[in-house]
Amino acid sequence: EAGVTQFPSHSVIEKGQTVTLRCDPISGHDNLYWYRRVMGKEIKFLLHFVKESKQDESGMPNNRFLAERTGGTYSTLKVQPAELEDSGVYFCASSRGLAGDIFDTQYFGPGTRLTVL
Amino acid sequence: AQSVTQLGSHVSVSEGALVLLRCNYSSSVPPYLFWYVQYPNQGLQLLLKYTTGATLVKGINGFEAEFKKSETSFHLTKPSAHMSDAAEYFCAVSDVEGSNFGNEKLTFGTGTRLTIIP
Repeated sequence: EAGVTQFPSHSVIEKGQTVTLRCDPISGHDNLYWYRRVMGKEIKFLLHFVKESKQDESGMPNNRFLAERTGGTYSTLKVQPAELEDSGVYFCASSRGLAGDIFDTQYFGPGTRLTVL
Repeated sequence: AQSVTQLGSHVSVSEGALVLLRCNYSSSVPPYLFWYVQYPNQGLQLLLKYTTGATLVKGINGFEAEFKKSETSFHLTKPSAHMSDAAEYFCAVSDVEGSNFGNEKLTFGTGTRLTIIP
């Protein structure tokens, strides 16, 4: 079974440009999460999809960030326009979302390292 | 709001020595606690988790952790360190509330990088 994949692995852009990160969850996983780790700090929750619907986007920093999950499969996270403070590692995770099982393991991808110059 | 504190951003131990990585949490409700490990160029991998029941939890690769409610701690241990244990370790707590049933977003600590000395 393939794990969570993320693309690209690294991205270097200039301030003001646009970047789109992609996450492919494990097949059949209804829950998809985005997290971000800024250098040296904790990994922070950004948002949570259940299938194609946004369940919780309380962690999204501002309206420069737009997440989508078309058809409940892969997800994209767009940053437009990028600012210096957006640099960090963006992780995606997925879980099955079994009915009645609220402790389902989240499986993480390797992350996308974003550098904004 | 929940929070997680990991004491020591870097820990070094000799091969064969005890590994002890500390984690304390704050939570207004009974917590669900996790330890994840990240090896270089890989995603986070779940080591172990505590939900309910036995407070001593055994995980993969010989690691275990004990939930101590009175101390609000969930320290990770391994009796004998191996070179392959060198990685970054993250403690996390889940936020499970009635209004967000099924939302298992995780709150992480800042991580502890473990170095094994040959």
